[in-house]
Amino acid sequence: EVQLVESGGGLVQPGGSLRLSCAASGFTFGVHNMNWVRQAPGKGLEWVAYINSGSTTIYYADSVRGRFTVSRDNAKNSLYLEMNSLRAEDTAVYYCARDPLGGDWFDSWGQGIQVTVSS
Amino acid sequence: DIPMTQSPSSLSASVGDRVTITCRASQTILTYLNWYQQKPGKAPTLLIYSASSLQSGVPSRFSGSGSGTDFTLTISSLQPEDFGTYYCQQGYSSPITFGQGTRLDIK
Repeated sequence: EVQLVESGGGLVQPGGSLRLSCAASGFTFGVHNMNWVRQAPGKGLEWVAYINSGSTTIYYADSVRGRFTVSRDNAKNSLYLEMNSLRAEDTAVYYCARDPLGGDWFDSWGQGIQVTVSS
Repeated sequence: DIPMTQSPSSLSASVGDRVTITCRASQTILTYLNWYQQKPGKAPTLLIYSASSLQSGVPSRFSGSGSGTDFTLTISSLQPEDFGTYYCQQGYSSPITFGQGTRLDIK
């Protein structure tokens, strides 16, 4: 069974930093491209970042570029999101989401982790 | 960016009804269009990919159609468990973008 489990969320002050992790199991993590998607309270879904299987191609949403860094460790079956210079508008539930092989959609999602940016 | 517009934003329907949700892209996205269902407090789940392909395990009452800029998600006979919010998503070009969502309530 495919499992994605996020961790590392919490309450942080504006300007602070946080590192999210996503532990993958039940599939060959190292061959799948991965993403982070977030959802602000009461709002819709917003794609945040993409990293391909070999970490050679990375994309970011304009809203986080220069502040967030996505990375992965295929040996540890883990995906990461380093978030710096956090703002109130980064408050959201953050999901890691898997691309299927050869697909442009998200076929498996983690349960989500809350990040709250507030003083 | 390719903005995605869903309609309606919300709807209420009865069990057994046929329900249609539309999604429009600001430019052609061929058939790079996917649909998700999200229930309160839960992660989204994939329903339809590539405009019309049913994800494994999804009931056959769900179907998708369309190409270019206009797409439709149809639930042929609404069931009580189909409540939630539905999102379309384009995978044609980066950045990936979602529609604003359609909230579906059961009468």
